[in-house]
Amino acid sequence: AQSVTQLDSHVSVSEGTPVLLRCNYSSSYSPSLFWYVQHPNKGLQLLLKYTSAATLVKGINGFEAEFKKSETSFHLTKPSAHMSDAAEYFCVVGKYNFNKFYFGSGTKLNVKP
Amino acid sequence: DVKVTQSSRYLVKRTGEKVFLECVQDMDHENMFWYRQDPGLGLRLIYFSYDVKMKEKGDIPEGYSVSREKKERFSLILESASTNQTSMYLCASSPRTSGRAGYNEQFFGPGTRLTVL
Repeated sequence: AQSVTQLDSHVSVSEGTPVLLRCNYSSSYSPSLFWYVQHPNKGLQLLLKYTSAATLVKGINGFEAEFKKSETSFHLTKPSAHMSDAAEYFCVVGKYNFNKFYFGSGTKLNVKP
Repeated sequence: DVKVTQSSRYLVKRTGEKVFLECVQDMDHENMFWYRQDPGLGLRLIYFSYDVKMKEKGDIPEGYSVSREKKERFSLILESASTNQTSMYLCASSPRTSGRAGYNEQFFGPGTRLTVL
């Protein structure tokens, strides 16, 4: 069975400080993992994806995530937050073969000036 | 760029009405999905389709049906709308490749915010 847990429903950081959004997953096989971002009143946009190549995945807008199999984690990080990063972020695990995707409950990132 | 469009951004309907939500993608994707998004629950899959006229139930299909008569179009139907179907509805599409198809990303439409009174 697959599931995704986003450990924080809200994260607040100051502009220019690092961002850490935490995600743990469970999967019965080697998973595909994604992070999506949703800005207010917009659809979801892919930030990055892990597909069993490099464990450190770089995405758009300076975000990256590291796949840690031993910890079943796929945390999203960014060295320096920008005001435009304020949005909701979803961690997603993909189910092999049937194109089903399981979404975490989301983390809302607030960036303070 | 992949484009997924949804017929309405906002929709208000009355209890008991039949509601159609339309989704169109322009990238010849085989797979299409309907989700509903509620605060604190993330996205939950209602139905998905992996080919024309083919569909599979997702995690919360009750009260919904779907139709896929053409590859580019996937419709979500609420046969008799109820207040607990007030939600944001998101459509997505993805290509299907051989092998590890679950690794393909999804492309999302902007969403339809449905209110049932």
